[in-house]
Amino acid sequence: AQTVTQSQPEMSVQEAETVTLSCTYDTSESDYYLFWYKQPPSRQMILVIRQEAYKQQNATENRFSVNFQKAAKSFSLKISDSQLGDAAMYFCAYRLRNFGNEKLTFGTGTRLTIIP
Amino acid sequence: GAVVSQHPSRVICKSGTSVKIECRSLDFQATTMFWYRQFPKKSLMLMATSNEGSKATYEQGVEKDKFLINHASLTLSTLTVTSAHPEDSSFYICSALEGANEKLFFGSGTQLSVL
Repeated sequence: AQTVTQSQPEMSVQEAETVTLSCTYDTSESDYYLFWYKQPPSRQMILVIRQEAYKQQNATENRFSVNFQKAAKSFSLKISDSQLGDAAMYFCAYRLRNFGNEKLTFGTGTRLTIIP
Repeated sequence: GAVVSQHPSRVICKSGTSVKIECRSLDFQATTMFWYRQFPKKSLMLMATSNEGSKATYEQGVEKDKFLINHASLTLSTLTVTSAHPEDSSFYICSALEGANEKLFFGSGTQLSVL
């Protein structure tokens, strides 16, 4: 079974600084997706970034970027120029990239606090 | 982007009653929907996978007779918590798969409180 581990239950960063959230996963599969989701106090799940395992290039979305190390099964999220609105729970997630098995497995989450 | 509507957002019910939660994909057809449960300050735990026109697939440990899932159309899945008890109180979230782009979209969740 696939597992996703987030070893940092809480992180904090000064506004405008950079923070990196860690995620490791365990799988015997080779074709999959990895995601970072943000859950603000409203509890709406918001997709931050998606990485396809077959792509070597790290995904980026504006201030958000990932460091995907497939061999090490590591998938960290870097948030640059942190803003107050980035404060939320962040979940790393995994799913297989095949039809009929699209369920997500989530990590335990990291609560990110932004210090003004 | 695609929108998934989940209703109600909050429901309070008496112990022993049943509660239905709806999950609708508003601008796309979703052959597959997922139901998650989230306890306070915890992660999302998959309860079941809902496929249009067929029986739902439940995760291990989830009581299928307590959590009834119906996916009668390509835009609607419902979760019914039957004979609810206080331990069923939780935050329930649905997600819908937009097949064309293989993207998952989440509803806004339902906070269930059973008194």
